[in-house]
Amino acid sequence: NAGVTQTPKFRILKIGQSMTLQCTQDMNHNYMYWYRQDPGMGLKLIYYSVGAGITDKGEVPNGYNVSRSTTEDFPLRLELAAPSQTSVYFCASSQGYSNQPQHFGDGTRLSIL
Amino acid sequence: QKEVEQNSGPLSVPEGAIASLNCTYSDRVSQSFFWYRQYSGKSPELIMSIYSNGDKEDGRFTAQLNKASQYVSLLIRDSQPSDSATYLCAVSQLNGNKLVFGAGTILRVKS
Repeated sequence: NAGVTQTPKFRILKIGQSMTLQCTQDMNHNYMYWYRQDPGMGLKLIYYSVGAGITDKGEVPNGYNVSRSTTEDFPLRLELAAPSQTSVYFCASSQGYSNQPQHFGDGTRLSIL
Repeated sequence: QKEVEQNSGPLSVPEGAIASLNCTYSDRVSQSFFWYRQYSGKSPELIMSIYSNGDKEDGRFTAQLNKASQYVSLLIRDSQPSDSATYLCAVSQLNGNKLVFGAGTILRVKS
């Protein structure tokens, strides 16, 4: 059972570079989410999607973009990386109904230097 | 007021004791509540979910929900050093699209 898979696990970027964090799930979940977690802090929602072709902003969307062309994949794009985007990024998925929990990937640890 | 509030801790308990973790939420119409455990450097993993008032037990874990007072708690009986982690409370919003997470409570179980 793969569940939610994120790649890469670690990455170091230089200021101004761009990159895409990959997330795929094999549970046929409609809903997918991107969070960031700064050291000692809780999870902050960046973007979420309720199905293929539908995305919406979360709490901290600035500096990020997403797309959802398939049910399985939900990539997160960082444009013009800044030191403030140094964080751990988690992708999650769920069936989407209010009584269904979210399942998390292992995370991507990103440093912007 | 934060939507979901937890005491950041650390909460220190001796091995074998009961650990009590609390969470309050501001949205009175919230319907679903979850507790996640997060070990250092790892991703959150679901340990309990609760949807109606009262207690729900699963092994050494008991979740308690009081919608009138807008709090949810997690009790861990016979605490073990392996329970040392950050515990995140999550509350679903009315439309079910999103969960709101608390900042988490650090639990340390001392052997």
